[in-house]
Amino acid sequence: QQPVQSPQAVILREGEDAVINCSSSKALYSVHWYRQKHGEAPVFLMILLKGGEQKGHEKISASFNEKKQQSSLYLTASQLSYSGTYFCGTALGDNNDMRFGAGTRLTVKP
Amino acid sequence: NAGVTQTPKFQVLKTGQSMTLQCAQDMNHNSMYWYRQDPGMGLRLIYYSASEGTTDKGEVPNGYNVSRLNKREFSLRLESAAPSQTSVYFCASSRTGLNQPQHFGDGTRLSIL
Repeated sequence: QQPVQSPQAVILREGEDAVINCSSSKALYSVHWYRQKHGEAPVFLMILLKGGEQKGHEKISASFNEKKQQSSLYLTASQLSYSGTYFCGTALGDNNDMRFGAGTRLTVKP
Repeated sequence: NAGVTQTPKFQVLKTGQSMTLQCAQDMNHNSMYWYRQDPGMGLRLIYYSASEGTTDKGEVPNGYNVSRLNKREFSLRLESAAPSQTSVYFCASSRTGLNQPQHFGDGTRLSIL
């Protein structure tokens, strides 16, 4: 029931763009995105709800395709501070039971 | 403004010992969660409490018990620790509902020998 994230890892140069995908085999109520830096707690980025619009956060935005049961996170003009592991979390029902993907490790180099 | 506070930050146990991990939040959130994080596995939900007085099993509840002591505090207990429970444990809290972000504590790094 855990969502599948791709790619597992990506290396970028500053200023480059990246897309991280999150897909589920089951219908989704919502998708959460978090970023975690090494040795720290996950930090909330954004939530996309079923039937909702694309969300944005600075140069990071995301979409939610309900038919494909998939969400994508878009990072544009990446900065060094974007480095970390990105997790998507999915809610399968109208409760707080969340399932997280294994994460995508993003490294931004100068 | 502390947010979500977990204690202890580090702990080493021997197999068979018991341990309670403490979590407290000062954001007046109704919902609280316990996750474990293992390398390459992401976050896995152990138990959650949608509101004071209720608790529900998550994805990996076996070997754990929880107590929602009051609105602020949610503890996780390992009755008989096993090496497979070596992990980083995160507590989180949120307002009620699916469209609410979860706020995480700094984690407890637990090693069981």
